[in-house]
Amino acid sequence: EAGVTQFPSHSVIEKGQTVTLRCDPISGHDNLYWYRRVMGKEIKFLLHFVKESKQDESGMPNNRFLAERTGGTYSTLKVQPAELEDSGVYFCASSPQGRGLQETQYFGPGTRLLVL
Amino acid sequence: QKEVEQNSGPLSVPEGAIASLNCTYSDRGSQSFFWYRQYSGKSPELIMSIYSNGDKEDGRFTAQLNKASQYVSLLIRDSQPSDSATYLCAVSRGYQKVTFGIGTKLQVIP
Repeated sequence: EAGVTQFPSHSVIEKGQTVTLRCDPISGHDNLYWYRRVMGKEIKFLLHFVKESKQDESGMPNNRFLAERTGGTYSTLKVQPAELEDSGVYFCASSPQGRGLQETQYFGPGTRLLVL
Repeated sequence: QKEVEQNSGPLSVPEGAIASLNCTYSDRGSQSFFWYRQYSGKSPELIMSIYSNGDKEDGRFTAQLNKASQYVSLLIRDSQPSDSATYLCAVSRGYQKVTFGIGTKLQVIP
């Protein structure tokens, strides 16, 4: 079974540009999460999709970030316009459709974003 | 106060010793507790999950949970150099978001 995949693995852009990150969850997983780790800080939650609906977007830092999950499959996270403080590693995770306590989130390899 | 507190380390132990990693959390509504291992430049990998008070053993790893004290720990017996990594303590209220600690860097010295 394929794991969570993310594209690109690395992205270097200039301040003010737009970047779109993509996440493909494990097949059949309804729950999809985005997290971000800024250097020297904890991994922080950004948002949670259940299928195509946003369940919780309380961690989104501002309106420069837009997440979508068309058809409840893959998800994209767009940053427009990018700022220096957006640099970090963006992780995607997915978990099955259950809502029980014992839901394990499986993490993708991450996208390393550097804004210059 | 951070939601999940961990000592960032590094924690150095000799090969074959027991490594003890600890964390505390602030949300009393937390119901699921995890330890993730993260090698440098890689994604977090779940190694242990625990949901009720007490101990849970899996091979060389033992997770301990004390909800009254809001305390989670991970013991690694017979530590190996390959165990050298950052260990992330994480909590959640079930299928919702996971809240992570900063991670403790473990170094196992051959």
